[in-house]
Amino acid sequence: DVKVTQSSRYLVKRTGEKVFLECVQDMDHENMFWYRQDPGLGLRLIYFSYDVKMKEKGDIPEGYSVSREKKERFSLILESASTNQTSMYLCASFGTEQGSYEQYFGPGTRLTVT
Amino acid sequence: GQNIDQPTEMTATEGAIVQINCTYQTSGFNGLFWYQQHAGEAPTFLSYNVLDGLEEKGRFSSFLSRSKGYSYLLLKELQMKDSASYLCAVRGSYIPTFGRGTSLIVHP
Repeated sequence: DVKVTQSSRYLVKRTGEKVFLECVQDMDHENMFWYRQDPGLGLRLIYFSYDVKMKEKGDIPEGYSVSREKKERFSLILESASTNQTSMYLCASFGTEQGSYEQYFGPGTRLTVT
Repeated sequence: GQNIDQPTEMTATEGAIVQINCTYQTSGFNGLFWYQQHAGEAPTFLSYNVLDGLEEKGRFSSFLSRSKGYSYLLLKELQMKDSASYLCAVRGSYIPTFGRGTSLIVHP
């Protein structure tokens, strides 16, 4: 019953490192999202993609980039990790299933930048 | 812009009924989601409302009034495992935008 998977549950990186977070969905959804979730701030959209090679900035794109080379895979890249990027990162895909809209989240990656 | 409001925290007793409200002001409307999120876990999809009215799924029901910019999630026969955060998210134009969530504490 796997729908959305993320490459790591926990990750510890040093300041300045390049970080890759991978997300894969098996529902053939066109729309995929990257959010970060911080206490008291809720879920904030970093980037989203509505098709292969298409991407749009969300509310907080600074310090991040994304890549979508295949429909099922959406990657989030931290070019030079900083301590304020310590957070829970959630990937989601969105589409229709049997005529109704659904959005599924991956299990999340808790990233710590030291 | 988008503005979504939910109460920060609610408490209820096991076996009771609780209603979690969500009000929104968005440019456009294409649907409203409810999610459940346990601590340390990802959100789990509960419901999606596009049309006015009540939709029931077992112990959980979701209501929408588009003219009032208002929705609620109704949880019946509360169980201890229902202690979680409940997130309301609105698709204004295309992308779901989330409220900050309501932390529900169920006590015996």
